[in-house]
Amino acid sequence: DTGVSQDPRHKITKRGQNVTFRCDPISEHNRLYWYRQTLGQGPEFLTYFQNEAQLEKSRLLSDRFSAERPKGSFSTLEIQRTEQGDSAMYLCASSPTGTGYGYTFGSGTRLTVV
Amino acid sequence: AQTVTQSQPEMSVQEAETVTLSCTYDTNESNYYLFWYKQPPSRQMILVIRQEAYKQQNATENRFSVNFQKAAKSFSLKISDSQLGDTAMYFCAFMKLPSGGAQKLVFGQGTRLTINP
Repeated sequence: DTGVSQDPRHKITKRGQNVTFRCDPISEHNRLYWYRQTLGQGPEFLTYFQNEAQLEKSRLLSDRFSAERPKGSFSTLEIQRTEQGDSAMYLCASSPTGTGYGYTFGSGTRLTVV
Repeated sequence: AQTVTQSQPEMSVQEAETVTLSCTYDTNESNYYLFWYKQPPSRQMILVIRQEAYKQQNATENRFSVNFQKAAKSFSLKISDSQLGDTAMYFCAFMKLPSGGAQKLVFGQGTRLTINP
């Protein structure tokens, strides 16, 4: 198992364009999380999947953001009509069934909106 | 809502020294978990150590140990015999016991630790 993989590592896009990020969690983990981390800050929760079901979304996740996890495997996070304020590191993490386990994080996708 | 505060934005010590990173949190929960994560420059976040709030014994992982003071809502990380590879951002994080749903982590602002040769 190679851990949590995220693709791409870096994305530069023009304001107004749509972008999509992919996350491949650890295969045995049924829980998948997306977090956003801005420069000099700790990560903030965006959304959570248990298997294929998206069970919780943060208020940070505006209507321009959508996430999917088809068949409970990989996940995608799409941002439509990007804005400069969307520039951040987007982190994906997964965790196993059970209570209180720490996450395994991916390396993140760094988005720069110009 | 829970909050996590790390009051030391940056710290710097010499190799082989011991360093302690501070973390305080605010919650009304009685059952929860606390974590320290390490984020090396341009690399992924790694779990360093985990503490269950109902356990009085402080967690230890090799050179890393915590001082968990539940009444004071304090959770500091001690790194002994620091090494150059310990240079990283360190984040303290809180997770309440969920009643179904997401086991969300609430992170502090981080402490940038530099180990000097």
